Amino acid sequence: GQQLNQSPQSMFIQEGEDVSMNCTSSSIFNTWLWYKQDPGEGPVLLIALYKAGELTSNGRLTAQFGITRKDSFLNISASIPSDVGIYFCAGQNGANSKLTFGKGITLSVRP
Amino acid sequence: DAGITQSPRHKVTETGTPVTLRCHQTENHRYMYWYRQDPGHGLRLIHYSYGVKDTDKGEVSDGYSVSRSKTEDFLLTLESATSSQTSVYFCAIKGAQETQYFGPGTRLLVL
Repeated sequence: GQQLNQSPQSMFIQEGEDVSMNCTSSSIFNTWLWYKQDPGEGPVLLIALYKAGELTSNGRLTAQFGITRKDSFLNISASIPSDVGIYFCAGQNGANSKLTFGKGITLSVRP
Repeated sequence: DAGITQSPRHKVTETGTPVTLRCHQTENHRYMYWYRQDPGHGLRLIHYSYGVKDTDKGEVSDGYSVSRSKTEDFLLTLESATSSQTSVYFCAIKGAQETQYFGPGTRLLVL
Protein backbone atom coordinates (compact mmCIF):
# COMPACT_ATOMS: atom_id res chain seq x y z
CA GLY A 1 0.00 0.00 0.00
CA GLN A 2 0.92 3.63 -0.10
CA GLN A 3 3.17 5.00 2.59
CA LEU A 4 4.22 8.41 3.73
CA ASN A 5 7.65 8.60 5.29
CA GLN A 6 8.45 11.01 8.07
CA SER A 7 11.80 11.01 9.76
CA PRO A 8 13.31 11.26 12.23
CA GLN A 9 10.73 9.99 14.73
CA SER A 10 11.76 12.68 17.24
CA MET A 11 13.31 16.13 17.02
CA PHE A 12 14.71 18.24 19.83
CA ILE A 13 15.22 21.96 19.35
CA GLN A 14 15.90 25.05 21.43
CA GLU A 15 13.18 27.63 21.95
CA GLY A 16 13.51 30.32 19.29
CA GLU A 17 15.00 28.03 16.66
CA ASP A 18 13.43 27.22 13.33
CA VAL A 19 12.68 23.61 12.46
CA SER A 20 11.88 21.91 9.18
CA MET A 21 10.31 18.53 8.63
CA ASN A 22 9.43 16.73 5.47
CA CYS A 23 7.17 13.98 4.27
CA THR A 24 8.01 11.81 1.30
CA SER A 25 6.28 9.16 -0.73
CA SER A 26 6.87 6.98 -3.75
CA SER A 27 3.34 7.85 -4.91
CA ILE A 28 1.93 11.09 -6.25
CA PHE A 29 -0.61 12.92 -4.11
CA ASN A 30 -3.12 15.60 -5.10
CA THR A 31 -3.58 17.00 -1.61
CA TRP A 32 -1.16 17.33 1.28
CA LEU A 33 -2.26 18.06 4.82
CA TRP A 34 -0.28 18.78 7.97
CA TYR A 35 -1.68 18.05 11.42
CA LYS A 36 -0.48 18.62 14.98
CA GLN A 37 -1.51 16.44 17.89
CA ASP A 38 -1.16 17.48 21.52
CA PRO A 39 -1.02 14.77 24.21
CA GLY A 40 -4.42 13.26 24.94
CA GLU A 41 -6.15 15.09 22.10
CA GLY A 42 -7.11 14.53 18.50
CA PRO A 43 -5.03 15.77 15.56
CA VAL A 44 -5.69 19.35 14.54
CA LEU A 45 -5.37 20.49 10.93
CA LEU A 46 -2.63 23.09 10.48
CA ILE A 47 -2.28 23.59 6.75
CA ALA A 48 -3.79 22.15 3.56
CA LEU A 49 -2.03 22.21 0.18
CA TYR A 50 -3.62 21.53 -3.21
CA LYS A 51 -1.19 22.48 -6.00
CA ALA A 52 2.33 21.39 -6.82
CA GLY A 53 4.74 24.12 -5.73
CA GLU A 54 2.14 25.80 -3.51
CA LEU A 55 3.53 27.57 -0.45
CA THR A 56 1.08 28.32 2.35
CA SER A 57 1.57 29.96 5.73
CA ASN A 58 -0.36 29.86 8.96
CA GLY A 59 1.27 32.18 11.46
CA ARG A 60 4.76 30.87 12.17
CA LEU A 61 4.09 27.75 10.13
CA THR A 62 4.84 27.46 6.44
CA ALA A 63 4.22 24.38 4.32
CA GLN A 64 5.02 23.56 0.73
CA PHE A 65 3.60 21.09 -1.76
CA GLY A 66 6.61 19.56 -3.53
CA ILE A 67 6.84 20.08 -7.27
CA THR A 68 7.15 16.34 -7.89
CA ARG A 69 3.90 15.88 -5.92
CA LYS A 70 5.66 13.15 -3.96
CA ASP A 71 6.69 15.25 -0.99
CA SER A 72 5.74 18.10 1.28
CA PHE A 73 7.57 20.24 3.80
CA LEU A 74 6.61 21.99 7.01
CA ASN A 75 8.65 24.75 8.59
CA ILE A 76 8.11 26.21 12.04
CA SER A 77 9.88 29.47 12.69
CA ALA A 78 10.91 30.91 16.06
CA SER A 79 9.71 27.88 18.00
CA ILE A 80 7.96 28.30 21.34
CA PRO A 81 7.20 25.73 24.07
CA SER A 82 3.60 25.22 22.89
CA ASP A 83 4.92 23.91 19.56
CA VAL A 84 5.63 20.66 21.39
CA GLY A 85 3.60 17.80 19.97
CA ILE A 86 3.38 15.26 17.20
CA TYR A 87 3.31 16.52 13.62
CA PHE A 88 1.67 14.33 11.00
CA CYS A 89 1.56 14.65 7.26
CA ALA A 90 -1.30 13.18 5.24
CA GLY A 91 -1.88 12.79 1.54
CA GLN A 92 -4.88 12.16 -0.68
CA ASN A 93 -4.72 11.01 -4.28
CA GLY A 94 -7.93 9.37 -5.30
CA ALA A 95 -11.65 9.81 -5.54
CA ASN A 96 -12.38 7.81 -2.42
CA SER A 97 -11.68 10.63 0.06
CA LYS A 98 -9.32 8.47 2.12
CA LEU A 99 -6.11 9.88 3.54
CA THR A 100 -2.75 8.19 3.92
CA PHE A 101 -0.91 9.31 7.07
CA GLY A 102 2.75 9.46 8.00
CA LYS A 103 3.72 8.06 11.39
CA GLY A 104 4.47 11.49 12.76
CA ILE A 105 7.41 13.38 14.21
CA THR A 106 7.48 14.17 17.92
CA LEU A 107 8.83 17.66 18.46
CA SER A 108 10.35 18.73 21.77
CA VAL A 109 11.27 22.35 22.48
CA ARG A 110 13.80 23.13 25.21
CA PRO A 111 13.17 26.45 26.98
CA ASP B 1 -14.11 22.92 16.23
CA ALA B 2 -15.89 20.64 13.76
CA GLY B 3 -18.66 19.71 16.17
CA ILE B 4 -17.46 16.15 16.73
CA THR B 5 -17.94 14.34 20.01
CA GLN B 6 -16.95 10.81 20.93
CA SER B 7 -18.29 8.66 23.71
CA PRO B 8 -17.15 7.21 25.93
CA ARG B 9 -13.83 9.05 26.24
CA HIS B 10 -12.30 6.23 28.25
CA LYS B 11 -13.29 2.60 28.60
CA VAL B 12 -11.85 -0.48 30.26
CA THR B 13 -13.32 -3.79 29.25
CA GLU B 14 -12.52 -7.48 29.36
CA THR B 15 -11.50 -9.75 26.54
CA GLY B 16 -14.48 -11.27 24.78
CA THR B 17 -16.99 -8.56 25.63
CA PRO B 18 -18.70 -6.44 22.99
CA VAL B 19 -17.87 -2.74 22.89
CA THR B 20 -19.53 0.08 20.98
CA LEU B 21 -17.97 3.48 20.48
CA ARG B 22 -20.05 6.40 19.31
CA CYS B 23 -19.13 9.35 17.12
CA HIS B 24 -21.58 12.22 16.89
CA GLN B 25 -21.36 15.23 14.58
CA THR B 26 -23.57 18.29 14.45
CA GLU B 27 -22.75 19.71 11.01
CA ASN B 28 -24.37 17.25 8.60
CA HIS B 29 -21.14 15.99 7.04
CA ARG B 30 -21.58 13.14 4.61
CA TYR B 31 -18.26 11.34 5.16
CA MET B 32 -17.22 9.96 8.55
CA TYR B 33 -14.21 7.83 9.47
CA TRP B 34 -12.95 5.64 12.29
CA TYR B 35 -9.20 5.38 12.92
CA ARG B 36 -7.07 3.70 15.52
CA GLN B 37 -3.79 5.14 16.71
CA ASP B 38 -1.02 2.98 18.09
CA PRO B 39 2.63 3.70 18.85
CA GLY B 40 4.79 3.01 15.83
CA HIS B 41 1.82 2.78 13.47
CA GLY B 42 0.34 6.24 13.36
CA LEU B 43 -3.28 6.60 12.32
CA ARG B 44 -4.85 3.64 10.54
CA LEU B 45 -8.27 3.64 8.94
CA ILE B 46 -10.70 1.03 10.28
CA HIS B 47 -13.92 1.82 8.42
CA TYR B 48 -15.51 4.82 6.82
CA SER B 49 -18.96 5.93 5.76
CA TYR B 50 -20.01 7.98 2.75
CA GLY B 51 -23.65 8.32 3.73
CA VAL B 52 -26.43 6.82 5.79
CA LYS B 53 -26.13 3.03 5.60
CA ASP B 54 -23.17 3.37 3.20
CA THR B 55 -19.94 2.09 4.71
CA ASP B 56 -16.70 0.54 3.52
CA LYS B 57 -13.64 -1.12 5.00
CA GLY B 58 -10.33 0.51 5.72
CA GLU B 59 -6.92 -1.09 6.10
CA VAL B 60 -7.48 -2.63 9.57
CA SER B 61 -11.15 -3.61 9.56
CA ASP B 62 -10.88 -7.19 10.89
CA GLY B 63 -12.69 -7.55 14.21
CA TYR B 64 -14.65 -4.32 13.76
CA SER B 65 -18.05 -3.45 12.38
CA VAL B 66 -19.74 -0.11 11.89
CA SER B 67 -23.21 1.28 11.47
CA ARG B 68 -24.63 4.58 10.33
CA SER B 69 -28.38 4.77 10.66
CA LYS B 70 -28.50 8.56 10.66
CA THR B 71 -26.20 11.28 9.34
CA GLU B 72 -25.01 12.50 12.71
CA ASP B 73 -23.99 9.20 14.29
CA PHE B 74 -21.32 6.67 13.27
CA LEU B 75 -20.92 3.68 15.57
CA LEU B 76 -17.90 1.41 15.82
CA THR B 77 -18.44 -2.03 17.35
CA LEU B 78 -15.92 -4.54 18.57
CA GLU B 79 -18.00 -7.70 18.56
CA SER B 80 -15.65 -9.56 20.90
CA ALA B 81 -12.85 -7.35 22.18
CA THR B 82 -9.28 -8.65 22.18
CA SER B 83 -6.19 -7.24 23.84
CA SER B 84 -4.82 -6.29 20.41
CA GLN B 85 -7.69 -3.83 20.12
CA THR B 86 -6.38 -1.79 23.04
CA SER B 87 -5.81 1.53 21.35
CA VAL B 88 -6.91 5.11 21.00
CA TYR B 89 -9.81 5.46 18.58
CA PHE B 90 -10.49 8.62 16.64
CA CYS B 91 -13.49 9.59 14.63
CA ALA B 92 -13.16 12.11 11.82
CA ILE B 93 -15.38 13.93 9.36
CA LYS B 94 -14.54 15.12 5.89
CA GLY B 95 -14.53 18.85 5.50
CA ALA B 96 -14.02 20.96 2.42
CA GLN B 97 -11.44 19.97 -0.21
CA GLU B 98 -10.39 16.61 1.22
CA THR B 99 -9.59 17.90 4.69
CA GLN B 100 -10.51 15.78 7.69
CA TYR B 101 -11.28 16.97 11.19
CA PHE B 102 -10.88 14.75 14.19
CA GLY B 103 -12.77 14.17 17.39
CA PRO B 104 -11.12 14.07 20.82
CA GLY B 105 -10.61 10.30 20.83
CA THR B 106 -11.61 7.32 22.96
CA ARG B 107 -9.01 5.44 24.96
CA LEU B 108 -9.90 1.76 25.09
CA LEU B 109 -8.14 -0.77 27.30
CA VAL B 110 -8.98 -4.43 26.83
CA LEU B 111 -7.83 -6.59 29.73
